[in-house]
Amino acid sequence: SAVISQKPSRDICQRGTSLTIQCQVDSQVTMMFWYRQQPGQSLTLIATANQGSEATYESGFVIDKFPISRPNLTFSTLTVSNMSPEDSSIYLCSAQRFANTGELFFGEGSRLTVL
Amino acid sequence: AQTVTQSQPEMSVQEAETVTLSCTYDTSESDYYLFWYKQPPSRQMILVIRQEAYKQQNATENRFSVNFQKAAKSFSLKISDSQLGDAAMYFCAYRSGGNSGYALNFGKGTSLLVTP
Repeated sequence: SAVISQKPSRDICQRGTSLTIQCQVDSQVTMMFWYRQQPGQSLTLIATANQGSEATYESGFVIDKFPISRPNLTFSTLTVSNMSPEDSSIYLCSAQRFANTGELFFGEGSRLTVL
Repeated sequence: AQTVTQSQPEMSVQEAETVTLSCTYDTSESDYYLFWYKQPPSRQMILVIRQEAYKQQNATENRFSVNFQKAAKSFSLKISDSQLGDAAMYFCAYRSGGNSGYALNFGKGTSLLVTP
């Protein structure tokens, strides 16, 4: 299995500010995905991050609000821009190492609280 | 889009007993994967078990096994000899098949409580 490290683990942010979450994988992976998990809810896909190309966003998520970088095969960042209390969630980074097994490995998540 | 339904928001089981968590899904695809993930309070999503749709044999991993009914689009998880450490949120997930980079589509989860 891949080991995925996310930073920060948690943060308390002020309304209107932006925060960047970093995701580091211990080995090269083809696909990385960013999910949001609101309190007590399931995981909702924000976007798919490919190395060397623009991220692909799901319906309801836009690049201006959630810009994503994927500069190499082991690293990605997600920025939550102009935050509001509705952005208070856990943000999870995940990676797919082998497409033929389909499984994703997850980081421990970043818990953001927006005041 | 494929939907994954977990109809049991909460389940409870006594230590050493067996519990079954339900999951149904809706798809028109013939090639896909199904997963059960566990999320303890630490938030780390941990893969419990995986099933490829083309395989008729039900997957097993130690105390965890699935009942995969492809025609009924059902994928239940059985936990045998439950342990206190099994207490967590359990998510059923679906992924389209093939070698493309498809994300997982998750159900709403079932909270499992294990009592001594």
